[in-house]
Amino acid sequence: LAKTTQPISMDSYEGQEVNITCSHNNIATNDYITWYQQFPSQGPRFIIQGYKTKVTNEVASLFIPADRKSSTLSLPRVSLSDTAVYYCLVGGGGRRALTFGSGTRLQVQP
Amino acid sequence: DVKVTQSSRYLVKRTGEKVFLECVQDMDHENMFWYRQDPGLGLRLIYFSYDVKMKEKGDIPEGYSVSREKKERFSLILESASTNQTSMYLCASSMLTTNEKLFFGSGTQLSVL
Repeated sequence: LAKTTQPISMDSYEGQEVNITCSHNNIATNDYITWYQQFPSQGPRFIIQGYKTKVTNEVASLFIPADRKSSTLSLPRVSLSDTAVYYCLVGGGGRRALTFGSGTRLQVQP
Repeated sequence: DVKVTQSSRYLVKRTGEKVFLECVQDMDHENMFWYRQDPGLGLRLIYFSYDVKMKEKGDIPEGYSVSREKKERFSLILESASTNQTSMYLCASSMLTTNEKLFFGSGTQLSVL
């Protein structure tokens, strides 16, 4: 199983772009990279998923280099409501355990 | 809209009690998971199941058991609750595909006194 490593916390200000990087050195060929967002007292919710290169949706972008040993979640122009914990999850589906890392606590200030 | 429902939002139990945490999903998902979350420790996998009556241990199965008699329902059982099992418990489900997306319930905050 691919183990993930993320920064424990990050601080930002409203309107800035935030990039959170996740390391996953032993990612397997059939593993996808998925990012989740969690607010206090709620379950995590899906943000974005990718396999390689770049993926963009209405919320975020995900950059994955060619070797796939890391990935970067990019949040454009964050607001106070983006204050949350962000988790990177690496997994290939099927009958496998899905183990989360410790997550990154993002604090956005005015 | 997809839904994972956990039976209780808050639960208070006594040490030694048998505790059942129930989770139901309405998406016909094959996979179901139980995690616990403690401050500073992220999400830790307790058990998961990929089919009815099937179960696999996660990272911290000690002190827990699970039951999956029907596809939509996955129960977490604390045979004899202890104070170190006070935690937030989160249930999730996903399809049995190569790029599963997890759907989480809102969680059950369990306090064992």
